[in-house]
Amino acid sequence: NAGVTQTPKFQVLKTGQSMTLQCAQDMNHNSMYWYRQDPGMGLRLIYYSASEGTTDKGEVPNGYNVSRLNKREFSLRLESAAPSQTSVYFCASSYSIEAVTDTQYFGPGTRLTVL
Amino acid sequence: AQSVTQPDIHITVSEGASLELRCNYSYGATPYLFWYVQSPGQGLQLLLKYFSGDTLVQGIKGFEAEFKRSQSSFNLRKPSVHWSDAAEYFCAVGGSSTSGTYKYIFGTGTRLKVLA
Repeated sequence: NAGVTQTPKFQVLKTGQSMTLQCAQDMNHNSMYWYRQDPGMGLRLIYYSASEGTTDKGEVPNGYNVSRLNKREFSLRLESAAPSQTSVYFCASSYSIEAVTDTQYFGPGTRLTVL
Repeated sequence: AQSVTQPDIHITVSEGASLELRCNYSYGATPYLFWYVQSPGQGLQLLLKYFSGDTLVQGIKGFEAEFKRSQSSFNLRKPSVHWSDAAEYFCAVGGSSTSGTYKYIFGTGTRLKVLA
């Protein structure tokens, strides 16, 4: 039982390049999330997927797109990377977004640097 | 507006000393409150959560937190800190807004350093 896995662990991009961050969970969770973590700002929600087939914007969606490929996988795409997107990205999942007391389970993170 | 405030960015304690990490929230509806811990290079792990009932909540690793509605606080405590507790701690509040949209807000974190 791997929990939440993310690839890659580290990535360096040049401004304007694109990339996709991958996330998968094996806990049969319905809801999945993408956060970014910046010093002094805590975690901020980028996008979330309440259930397979649905996605919604979070607090800071600009410059990102997401795809809920199936129940297990939720990817985050940067179409044209900018230095302001240098951050640590975390994927998380929970059984159901409707159950607001649900625990979120986090992946180990992807450290992205945009030059 | 909903918000979570962790007033202390850094805290240093000696091993064996007691610990209290502060968390204040602003939330219109009944809040659901969480504490997460992030060890270096790792993702976040849930320590404990509160959503109803007894206002003193026990969590993993010997942590507890007390919900005080009158003070809008949910402070995390541990009677005796171990060196392995050095990490960053995040308070979070979750729930549905009045419009029914999903809300889950993290504080900015408190980094704990433990002196041997």
